[in-house]
Amino acid sequence: GENVEQHPSTLSVQEGDSAVIKCTYSDSASNYFPWYKQELGKGPQLIIDIRSNVGEKKDQRIAVTLNKTAKHFSLHITETQPEDSAVYFCAARKYNFNKFYFGSGTKLNVKP
Amino acid sequence: DVKVTQSSRYLVKRTGEKVFLECVQDMDHENMFWYRQDPGLGLRLIYFSYDVKMKEKGDIPEGYSVSREKKERFSLILESASTNQTSMYLCASSPGRGPHQPQHFGDGTRLSIL
Repeated sequence: GENVEQHPSTLSVQEGDSAVIKCTYSDSASNYFPWYKQELGKGPQLIIDIRSNVGEKKDQRIAVTLNKTAKHFSLHITETQPEDSAVYFCAARKYNFNKFYFGSGTKLNVKP
Repeated sequence: DVKVTQSSRYLVKRTGEKVFLECVQDMDHENMFWYRQDPGLGLRLIYFSYDVKMKEKGDIPEGYSVSREKKERFSLILESASTNQTSMYLCASSPGRGPHQPQHFGDGTRLSIL
């Protein structure tokens, strides 16, 4: 099966700084990598995703990069704001498989 | 917008009880999932279903069963609740077709077994 590892487990940054969360996966057949944000008391919400035929994708202050050779992908948040404080999960999925494999989560704390 | 609704936000039950957690999605998705979320362990898949009356075991199915009689509804059943099943339970759904479709989650049910 697939194994997704996520680091760090906690991350504390000052407001306005950048935050980077990294994930590695084990199965080279994985080809879709979504990132989720989970706020307190809510379910995970999709914030950005990337397909294996793309190396980078941006959406305003959020970007995701993918290195297929090294089998790792990262979430980058620039100009962090207190409302970015949440738990972030990475995930991987193989083509034609229904299952998603999740990382263990990163608790991001943005200090005002 | 996709909406995944879990019937209870908080639930308190006693050991040995049979517990039902309900989930409904409104986007005609083929796939539905039940996860358990515990601190430091991330999301662990209990069961999933890719069609009505179809189900597959996930990574931690022991002590649980599921039911999918209608496409929009997926139920998780704790046959005889135990204290180690105290957790946050998350339901999710995704389309069956298209390899690059994310899962959509409900807001979770926090279950306490006393």
